[in-house]
Amino acid sequence: GEDVEQSLFLSVREGDSSVINCTYTDSSSTYLYWYKQEPGAGLQLLTYIFSNMDMKQDQRLTVLLNKKDKHLSLRIADTQTGDSAIYFCAALRIYNQGGKLIFGQGTELSVKP
Amino acid sequence: SAVISQKPSRDICQRGTSLTIQCQVDSQVTMMFWYRQQPGQSLTLIATANQGSEATYESGFVIDKFPISRPNLTFSTLTVSNMSPEDSSIYLCSVAPAALISRGGGPRVEAFFGQGTRLTVV
Repeated sequence: GEDVEQSLFLSVREGDSSVINCTYTDSSSTYLYWYKQEPGAGLQLLTYIFSNMDMKQDQRLTVLLNKKDKHLSLRIADTQTGDSAIYFCAALRIYNQGGKLIFGQGTELSVKP
Repeated sequence: SAVISQKPSRDICQRGTSLTIQCQVDSQVTMMFWYRQQPGQSLTLIATANQGSEATYESGFVIDKFPISRPNLTFSTLTVSNMSPEDSSIYLCSVAPAALISRGGGPRVEAFFGQGTRLTVV
């Protein structure tokens, strides 16, 4: 089955760039997502990338996809203390009648002033 | 985007009782998903709820423990039955727009989540 792996923690200083990495095993994953979860809150969709793209940029967020290595990364430029949260990467598998999301364990980003 | 409302947002329940969580969407969607997030962990898919048919459960989850209803295209419920402290988790519902089921993808491929129901079983 699908497996999605992330490192558990990342600590950066305010103003630096953060890079959160993710690997997945199923090459048939069609879409890859990044979600943000702040303490006590639900999931917020940040961005997603289709598997035939290798990069997507959206304001401070840059997603890079290396399909050959099944490696996904999320870069946050000029990281702020408000970016402190858990970031989940998720891979979408589409099957006959629909799809499901497989989530990584989440990377806890800590931004120090 | 889809707006999803979940009720209750949190509850503290006695062991052995059952809790029904409601999920209301502001638009018609083909598929709804129920996830569980245990403390400090990632999300695990419990089941997929399709309108007009029985829910499809993932490995490790059974209908007797987590019965699901899907009476129409905007609403679903998940019941956590005969609860034990191990059921203490956040339960989230998610929707996938109809375009998602197309193999070619579609203009809307985001999966949206409710805010979750934080359940504590004592």
